Amino acid sequence: QSALTQPASVSGSPGQSITISCTGTSSDVGGYNYVSWYQQHPGKAPKLLISEVSNRPSGVSNRFSGSKSGNTASLTISGLQADDEADYYCSSYTSSSTLVFGGGTKLTVL
Amino acid sequence: EVQLAQSGAEVKKPGEPLKISCKGLGYSFSNYWIAWVRRMPGKGLEWMGIIFPADSDTRYSPSFQGQVTMSADKSISTAYLQWGSLKASDTAMYYCARLGKSGFGGDYWGQGTLVTVSS
Repeated sequence: QSALTQPASVSGSPGQSITISCTGTSSDVGGYNYVSWYQQHPGKAPKLLISEVSNRPSGVSNRFSGSKSGNTASLTISGLQADDEADYYCSSYTSSSTLVFGGGTKLTVL
Repeated sequence: EVQLAQSGAEVKKPGEPLKISCKGLGYSFSNYWIAWVRRMPGKGLEWMGIIFPADSDTRYSPSFQGQVTMSADKSISTAYLQWGSLKASDTAMYYCARLGKSGFGGDYWGQGTLVTVSS
């Protein structure tokens, strides 16, 4: 199985909104509503931001939102803050009963 | 409080065996999938596989099938990841994560175990 496709980098200014895309196939993103998004700061463990396409776990800011259309999922971060600068990964369940990550996107807050 | 406590950093030589651990605390360990995730230096996250401790149902990602072995001992709430013969390319940070009850999201993560393989 191939990694899901994410842009290598995105950037935005404080207060702006950005969207990170995650493209897969009908065997993963398009076939299941089991898309998750993670944030990872340097030297830290990943943190779950979104599960099941658009569900925010308790404690996650409502500035983070998720959606899906066909084989592409998206993470939107509104009201960018300096602490949002991190690596972001999408993940999906697959038809092989395994999980697959995207390649990761580095977010720079200008 | 839910916690996943991983074993400490390891420095090994190529060809040596290794088993690292992940102990679940504060929840019913048997009833949640545990996933292992690799992050190689300068690279992204990779799911290695998942295991259900109640019955040890295990599913490996294709890239890791035959390369590692996952196991779990529900009596001591601990999952394991092991290698029979390490390679330099196994040098990485390894995380365990609990998958939530729905959606296969990793809702709790261990602190990571750094494995360094060098002659």
